[in-house]
Amino acid sequence: GAVVSQHPSRVICKSGTSVKIECRSLDFQATTMFWYRQFPKKSLMLMATSNEGSKATYEQGVEKDKFLINHASLTLSTLTVTSAHPEDSSFYICSAYSEHVGYTEAFFGQGTRLTVV
Amino acid sequence: GQSLEQPSEVTAVEGAIVQINCTYQTSGFYGLSWYQQHDGGAPTFLSYNALDGLEETGRFSSFLSRSDSYGYLLLQELQMKDSASYFCAVRDRRNQGGKLIFGQGTELSVKP
Repeated sequence: GAVVSQHPSRVICKSGTSVKIECRSLDFQATTMFWYRQFPKKSLMLMATSNEGSKATYEQGVEKDKFLINHASLTLSTLTVTSAHPEDSSFYICSAYSEHVGYTEAFFGQGTRLTVV
Repeated sequence: GQSLEQPSEVTAVEGAIVQINCTYQTSGFYGLSWYQQHDGGAPTFLSYNALDGLEETGRFSSFLSRSDSYGYLLLQELQMKDSASYFCAVRDRRNQGGKLIFGQGTELSVKP
């Protein structure tokens, strides 16, 4: 199957700083990637759709100035949490589809556990 | 709005059969998927139904009834390693841009 790699897997940062999370499709090209946020024992909440070469589409209630998404190439999308605060602490996961399997299966990165202190 | 309903938790013993139901209300529909997630890990794909009926993949089967907006995941011959969270999810369209909306998840505990 296709591989999506996410980095870093864990990050601890100080309140007020920014953190960048990378999501790469290793063996396929992805014009679209998705960013999710997950709280403990909860569902995956879609934050935004990342579109290669254009602006991301954010879900209702997600602050686009807070969560900056850049999709500069067909294999890389980045999520930057700006001016992070403790309430931003969460598990962030990216995903993408591969045409090789007919877009039926979403492939997920390993996730990034963000802790803001 | 869009919503998917599934039980929050299920407990069963090794070797048993478990069915996890999912009902959905979504603005667009292109298939019902099931994902498994172990604690701290990424979701992994289990099955996908675009058409009505039963899909079987080893010990796991998934069913869809589009007219009832209902599906289920059937896990047979349960093993301890099947203890995990299971999510149903709906695609709103076919192509790369199709969003995947997840249910709240069902935590399955398999006891010896």
